[in-house]
Amino acid sequence: GAGVSQTPSNKVTEKGKYVELRCDPISGHTALYWYRQSLGQGPEFLIYFQGTGAADDSGLPNDRFFAVRPEGSVSTLKIQRTERGDSAVYLCASSDRQGEGTQYFGPGTRLLVL
Amino acid sequence: AQSVTQPDIHITVSEGASLELRCNYSYGATPYLFWYVQSPGQGLQLLLKYFSGDTLVQGIKGFEAEFKRSQSSFNLRKPSVHWSDAAEYFCAVGKIQGAQKLVFGQGTRLTINP
Repeated sequence: GAGVSQTPSNKVTEKGKYVELRCDPISGHTALYWYRQSLGQGPEFLIYFQGTGAADDSGLPNDRFFAVRPEGSVSTLKIQRTERGDSAVYLCASSDRQGEGTQYFGPGTRLLVL
Repeated sequence: AQSVTQPDIHITVSEGASLELRCNYSYGATPYLFWYVQSPGQGLQLLLKYFSGDTLVQGIKGFEAEFKRSQSSFNLRKPSVHWSDAAEYFCAVGKIQGAQKLVFGQGTRLTINP
């Protein structure tokens, strides 16, 4: 079946602009995660949804970052007033159960802030 | 707080040689351990995971890992590497209970010499 998909695959924006990154999880997966991967680093947790609600947003770096999952499926990560330091690959993952569910990752969105 | 250390940033081995990638974790309770592989431009693919039971875990692509609680380690091994194994490898730890956010190591880049 289809895996996790993310759009766009690449996004170039200017400092100060607003961006939205989209994640389509595997059908039926109730849990959805966002991670950020900077160059040469491992992924860092941002936020986790169980259904429509954010169960853990402790990884969001500041209030410029926000994520939604209004219908419990597709999620959008929103970044306001982008900064050059936001440049990274943003990874989305989904799993079918909280706790034990294996996380399946999408290919990521590469964000470059000029 | 959980943390993961992958001491080797870059490893080079010859095709057909054996491989061991090191992973040390810090976590106060029983950990939930993973190895993921990331090829250039690709998302993370799960190689194997340890949840409980047998401390020697078999994964895909001929990989295995051994959980050693006394050493807080979860090293990844393969008896004979193939050129297609060249990639970035990440070790990760999660909590068995509660939100399953993963904490990743910095990664080890594997290069294969022909």
